[in-house]
Amino acid sequence: DSGVTQTPKHLITATGQRVTLRCSPRSGDLSVYWYQQSLDQGLQFLIQYYNGEERAKGNILERFSAQQFPDLHSELNLSSLELGDSALYFCASSGGGSGDQPQHFGDGTRLSIL
Amino acid sequence: GESVGLHLPTLSVQEGDNSIINCAYSNSASDYFIWYKQESGKGPQFIIDIRSNMDKRQGQRVTVLLNKTVKHLSLQIAATQPGDSAVYFCAVTTLNSGYSTLTFGKGTMLLVSP
Repeated sequence: DSGVTQTPKHLITATGQRVTLRCSPRSGDLSVYWYQQSLDQGLQFLIQYYNGEERAKGNILERFSAQQFPDLHSELNLSSLELGDSALYFCASSGGGSGDQPQHFGDGTRLSIL
Repeated sequence: GESVGLHLPTLSVQEGDNSIINCAYSNSASDYFIWYKQESGKGPQFIIDIRSNMDKRQGQRVTVLLNKTVKHLSLQIAATQPGDSAVYFCAVTTLNSGYSTLTFGKGTMLLVSP
């Protein structure tokens, strides 16, 4: 058990809809990272938050947004969903703000767009 | 942009053999390298990491070797067990918005036969 909790485990919705994925980091970790994993693209970094502030941005679409709350949990919002958004979404956390340290991953949310 | 590749998509070994999984990276500025193991239905699990000031690091049954000259990273697993069957990812740091983030390789599937 990594200590990172993601909910829900599975999400099925339709094109055009909006969903929110939730992540609770390991106790004491200040950074949260979001990744998308698909069969053709592998594990792609989306965005990082550190202690409530956006730290780094990767290949995140404009239709996607995230935030980190004062209790350090994070949410990833995906809107105007398209079929191609079907993927596994992982959250990871680490103690500090720099990416050069181990990140600990949750077990992901599987998003299926019908 | 940064590319991180793996030489073999699938590696099949017998139980008790030693396994070697390879990874090539392209960014000579990368200074932190990490290996993850991902089992079906789970998130990536940290195995071992190494910084650019080292060329070898050992853990329990695992060794990571770093050759910065040819930008190559390998993971060696000693006495491979059926429980080692999983997909293995290497990841290297990339500068993103002025901060280090991880870029993941596509993964190698390790299959261990009893």
